[in-house]
Amino acid sequence: EPEVTQTPSHQVTQMGQEVILRCVPISNHLYFYWYRQILGQKVEFLVSFYNNEISEKSEIFDDQFSVERPDGSNFTLKIRSTKLEDSAMYFCASRTITDTQYFGPGTRLTVL
Amino acid sequence: AQRVTQPEKLLSVFKGAPVELKCNYSYSGSPELFWYVQYSRQRLQLLLRHISRESIKGFTADLNKGETSFHLKKPFAQEEDSAMYYCALSGRGTSYGKLTFGQGTILTVHP
Repeated sequence: EPEVTQTPSHQVTQMGQEVILRCVPISNHLYFYWYRQILGQKVEFLVSFYNNEISEKSEIFDDQFSVERPDGSNFTLKIRSTKLEDSAMYFCASRTITDTQYFGPGTRLTVL
Repeated sequence: AQRVTQPEKLLSVFKGAPVELKCNYSYSGSPELFWYVQYSRQRLQLLLRHISRESIKGFTADLNKGETSFHLKKPFAQEEDSAMYYCALSGRGTSYGKLTFGQGTILTVHP
């Protein structure tokens, strides 16, 4: 059964550094999402992406964040200048038009 | 604004006992409701969606629009049901697909 994959599984970075989190959605899916979960808190929506553009974003998704689908298979989340409060588990998800979302295993981001 | 509330952070039951995980929501319109489960060290996976009206692994959930609830039930809990359970809501129209999650309930089923 196809799965959403994410790399790396754990990323440690220094405050102020840029990070890129990578996701490979399921191949025939058209809608892509990023969520995050700060330790002990709920899973929060960050951004949705369809037809090569952002369709919706939350207030968390400020100018420090960007998403891209550079090559038709990868879907990336970039944080330009990481802050301590960006430390969280980041989940990628994808779906077809009518199906539910399938989630990746997550990337744990630790900002020191 | 859409909101999902799971009032119980932790729920413990013994094997064979009934279990109910509560979920209440707030949404102006007709949302779609889901239950996701996360077993230890595994990814979030869909357990139920209200429109399919299926029973998965013995779990059922009924959408009660009057009480704005979508409680998850199982008549006889099993040890392998121990996991984190998240209730989630998706709006309709342009927000379809954007999931709003509850805080999650950790279910522990004791032998």
